[in-house]
Amino acid sequence: QVQLVASGGGVVQPGTSLRLSCAASAFSFSNNAMHWVRQAPDKGLEWVGVISSDGSTKYAVDSVKGRFSISRDNSKNTLDLQMKSLTTEDTAVYFCGRGRGSGYVDFWGQGTLVTVSS
Amino acid sequence: DIQMTQSPSTLSASLGDRVTITCRASQRISSWLAWYQQKPGKAPNLLIYRASSLESGVPLRFSGSGSGTEFTLTISSLQPDDFATYYCQQYDTYPYTFGQGTKLEIK
Repeated sequence: QVQLVASGGGVVQPGTSLRLSCAASAFSFSNNAMHWVRQAPDKGLEWVGVISSDGSTKYAVDSVKGRFSISRDNSKNTLDLQMKSLTTEDTAVYFCGRGRGSGYVDFWGQGTLVTVSS
Repeated sequence: DIQMTQSPSTLSASLGDRVTITCRASQRISSWLAWYQQKPGKAPNLLIYRASSLESGVPLRFSGSGSGTEFTLTISSLQPDDFATYYCQQYDTYPYTFGQGTKLEIK
């Protein structure tokens, strides 16, 4: 069955970097756009960004532009989120999700928790 | 950015009730709207896309309607598994945005 397994979360200090990964299986990864969505503790969902199926097009929310970068490796069925200059506001569970078209997410990974704290 | 506003924020209802959640967009988004259900500690689950299309495997008691700026999610007869938080999301314009969520509680 379709699986998205996010990893790489942890506790980091403000100003540092972290790289999240999402391993996809049981579907044609190279055919789908992929999204990152985050959820701060006890808060709602926030869309972070999307990368097109071939990796040529990316969009991100303003609050992470210039700090976060989305990439993918279709040969390895992996999606990455490189995060730099982290602040406490970035503390959240980060979900990767399979896009249908480039719009909504039709399948979600389990999420990985990033805690930014001194 | 397009703001999505859900109402109510919290809804108390009983088993078997018919409930409706509203989502309003700050500008027209045609029918580019999805609804998700999320249970505590779990990833969201897609219920509805393109405002009214039911995702495969989702029970028929869920339905969506609307276009433009006003949308609704209706559950025709609440079941125990339906008590959760519901989010709308617009995918008309980047950045995509979610509503703040509606928590559906047992009365």
